[in-house]
Amino acid sequence: SQTIHQWPATLVQPVGSPLSLECTVEGTSNPNLYWYRQAAGRGLQLLFYSVGIGQISSEVPQNLSASRPQDRQFILSSKKLLLSDSGFYLCAWCDSTGNTIYFGEGSWLTVV
Amino acid sequence: GENVEQHPSTLSVQEGDSAVIKCTYSDSASNYFPWYKQELGKRPQLIIDIRSNVGEKKDQRIAVTLNKTAKHFSLHITETQPEDSAVYFCAAGGSYIPTFGRGTSLIVHP
Repeated sequence: SQTIHQWPATLVQPVGSPLSLECTVEGTSNPNLYWYRQAAGRGLQLLFYSVGIGQISSEVPQNLSASRPQDRQFILSSKKLLLSDSGFYLCAWCDSTGNTIYFGEGSWLTVV
Repeated sequence: GENVEQHPSTLSVQEGDSAVIKCTYSDSASNYFPWYKQELGKRPQLIIDIRSNVGEKKDQRIAVTLNKTAKHFSLHITETQPEDSAVYFCAAGGSYIPTFGRGTSLIVHP
């Protein structure tokens, strides 16, 4: 069966510091991969999605970036965090039918 | 693009009552409508979904109905229990990028 893992689960970072969140999917090949953000516990904001290695689409302009160095690995990065980057970040993948989204456990980011 | 409206934003019920959450969508090409439940501090999890060739689907105490003509679909929870308290999201799509509603916070009072 397919599983998705993301880490770290929680992190506190100072303003201006870099960020790296990682996500891997197991048990499937060539998945669609997504990064979502939730602020204040509501609303799923799509940040990035990827349909293949090296293919990244950005939905919201910001100081974040994403990369997909391997088929089942998706990374969310920032060179300099802002206070407004705080939130709950969710990695997700989509099955081959292109319908059902499955979420990772999430990463709580607090920028101080 | 697709636009999904979800109502109400907050729903408070007594244990044992029914709860109904409604969503409307704009893109007639959407053919897949999942519902997610997100407990506090956890990830959203799929609880039920429906495809456009079906009008209703049930799974124990939860059911989803779809009206393609009117472009709306609803989640029905019967005999609510305190553990049903969570935020529920609807979504509409069918081409890799679903559009989510803004969520409904369901509170079930014992």
